[in-house]
Order: sequence, then C-alpha cells, then structure tokens
Amino acid sequence: GAVVSQHPSWVICKSGTSVKIECRSLDFQATTMFWYRQFPKQSLMLMATSNEGSKATYEQGVEKDKFLINHASLTLSTLTVTSAHPEDSSFYICSAKALYLRTGGGLNTEAFFGQGTRLTVV
Amino acid sequence: AQKITQTQPGMFVQEKEAVTLDCTYDTSDQSYGLFWYKQPSSGEMIFLIYQGSYDEQNATEGRYSLNFQKARKSANLVISASQLGDSAMYFCAMREGRGLWGSSNTGKLIFGQGTTLQVKP
Repeated sequence: GAVVSQHPSWVICKSGTSVKIECRSLDFQATTMFWYRQFPKQSLMLMATSNEGSKATYEQGVEKDKFLINHASLTLSTLTVTSAHPEDSSFYICSAKALYLRTGGGLNTEAFFGQGTRLTVV
Repeated sequence: AQKITQTQPGMFVQEKEAVTLDCTYDTSDQSYGLFWYKQPSSGEMIFLIYQGSYDEQNATEGRYSLNFQKARKSANLVISASQLGDSAMYFCAMREGRGLWGSSNTGKLIFGQGTTLQVKP
C-alpha cells in the first residue's frame, strides 16, 4: 500500500530557530502533497498544497515566509517553520496524493497521511 | 464553498455495541468523495472508509459502514461491535474536486470538527 513517512515525529526547539519537517512517499511518486496543522482537540486545517517542481499554494491566512515549503522531488516535500515562536507549537501532518485500489475493485485518488510531527517551541 | 459538519464533539458507547457518528456536508459539486479517518492519541490519521458521490451502494469495510444519504447530504459512520481500541477521534472529510480522472481532482481534503469516541468496557 501507499506509505508516507514523516520525520521527525516530535521536535522541541528554541524560540527564534527554524525547524524542518520532511514528508516522504516511500513506495509511490507524489506530484502533490498537502500540509495540515492541528491544534489539540481540533480539526486539521490545510496550510498549503505542495506541487513538485513548482511553488506551493498557500491557504488564506497562512504566512508564506514563515512556513516555507519545498517539493524538490517526486517523493519528498519539506516544511520549514522559520523563526519559530511558542504560538507555532502544534501538530503538523502531511499527506500525499496517490492512486488507491478500492476494496471491491476500481481505482480512486486518495491522500495518504504521514505520522505527523508534534512541534513544541520553548 | 464546501463544508463538513460533525455535530457530536464526544460520544460514549458500550463495548460490543454499535455506534453511529454523524456527518453532514455541503457542496455544489456533482462529483465528490467522502472519507472517514480515525485519529488515535498518537496522532496518525488512519483511513477507514470511502464513499463516492456516484456510488449506488453504501460503502462497507469490515466493522465500518457508511450510511450515505445523498439527498440529505449526510454520510454517517456506523461502527459495529465496538472495541476498546476504537476509542479515538474520528474525522469526516470531503475531497474537493471531481472524480478520479478529472483534472480538477486536487486530492485536497476538507475536514469536519471531529468526534471523540470513548468505548466503555
């Protein structure tokens, strides 16, 4: 099946530093990946759509210069939180778009998720 | 604009009983996909079940079934024979864009607010 690996699973960093989170599709090529942010007990909010070889598309209200996204290859997208502050502490999770073989037959396009990264800025 | 609504912040169910988690949606698209995900405390998003807007039958995957009522724009998840391991947060999601081969199928998902399910022994 489609496996998406996200690294690191958790990170603690000092305020003002930058943190890079990687999202890899292990057994398929992903031209499109998505980055979500989730606060405790809340829903996933889409931050941006990452397209291989082109600029990411950011959702309204997401600071492009603060959350840098790079999709340099068909299997890797990175999210860099620059000049992190305590309010950036959150759970970040990526997903990659892939073809999915449905139970009972037929194909579908689906997004497979990484394990998520818990970021704490102190 | 597309919208997903889950009105149950929390639910309790007795072990071995069935439980229904509600989800309603709003979209002007004719073709769309509906998903349910389980998120345990570890944070990973576990795909449970998918329903396409043109699927004539309700989707089933093991103990999970989706009660799809298109006219009412609802896609409720039914978990049969609940187990302690089912305790988690559950999210209903809609895929933006058109069907599998449509160029407008972005794969982007819009999530509901989530329902926390607790299974009692």
